[in-house]
Amino acid sequence: AQSVTQPDIHITVSEGASLELRCNYSYGATPYLFWYVQSPGQGLQLLLKYFSGDTLVQGIKGFEAEFKRSQSSFNLRKPSVHWSDAAEYFCAVGGITSGGSYIPTFGRGTSLIVHP
Amino acid sequence: NAGVTQTPKFRILKIGQSMTLQCAQDMNHNYMYWYRQDPGMGLKLIYYSVGAGITDKGEVPNGYNVSRSTTEDFPLRLELAAPSQTSVYFCASSTAGVGKFQPQHFGDGTRLSIL
Repeated sequence: AQSVTQPDIHITVSEGASLELRCNYSYGATPYLFWYVQSPGQGLQLLLKYFSGDTLVQGIKGFEAEFKRSQSSFNLRKPSVHWSDAAEYFCAVGGITSGGSYIPTFGRGTSLIVHP
Repeated sequence: NAGVTQTPKFRILKIGQSMTLQCAQDMNHNYMYWYRQDPGMGLKLIYYSVGAGITDKGEVPNGYNVSRSTTEDFPLRLELAAPSQTSVYFCASSTAGVGKFQPQHFGDGTRLSIL
């Protein structure tokens, strides 16, 4: 069965500092990987995705993520954080169930706090 | 393009009451999903559908029912509301199939309290 671990429940950074949010996954084949962001009172919005090809993927709002197969990781990075980046971030892995359905599995999320 | 629309946005129910959470998408996606989100617990899959007329249980289906009579609509039914069903409910849709697994589009959620 597929699974996702986001080891950090909360991350606090200062505005302008760099950011890395960790994500580790477990899946038997080449995974589909996603990062979503959730602002307070909102639904989830896609930041970026990895399906295949270049292991460094660029997303919206200046975010990027790197797929490392050897480490089963898909960490999210941003070189300079803005106060508006404060939100909940979810990593997800998409896999195929034994019944042939495409079901993503989400991590528990990392709450990003940005200090001025 | 409206995307995924959920109604209502907020609701308070009494224990034992029933209600239906509505979800509609206008992107012709084959997959639709219902999740509940509790603080610090991420998203738990309640039910999903791979197309009209086909539904299946997710991780936490007890106390809920779904139907999918059209591609666009995927309502979630609570028959006998219990305090444990107090949560934020999200509907999502996506396109998936052999060789493709597109990201999900989410609605803005329904905040449900059972008192």
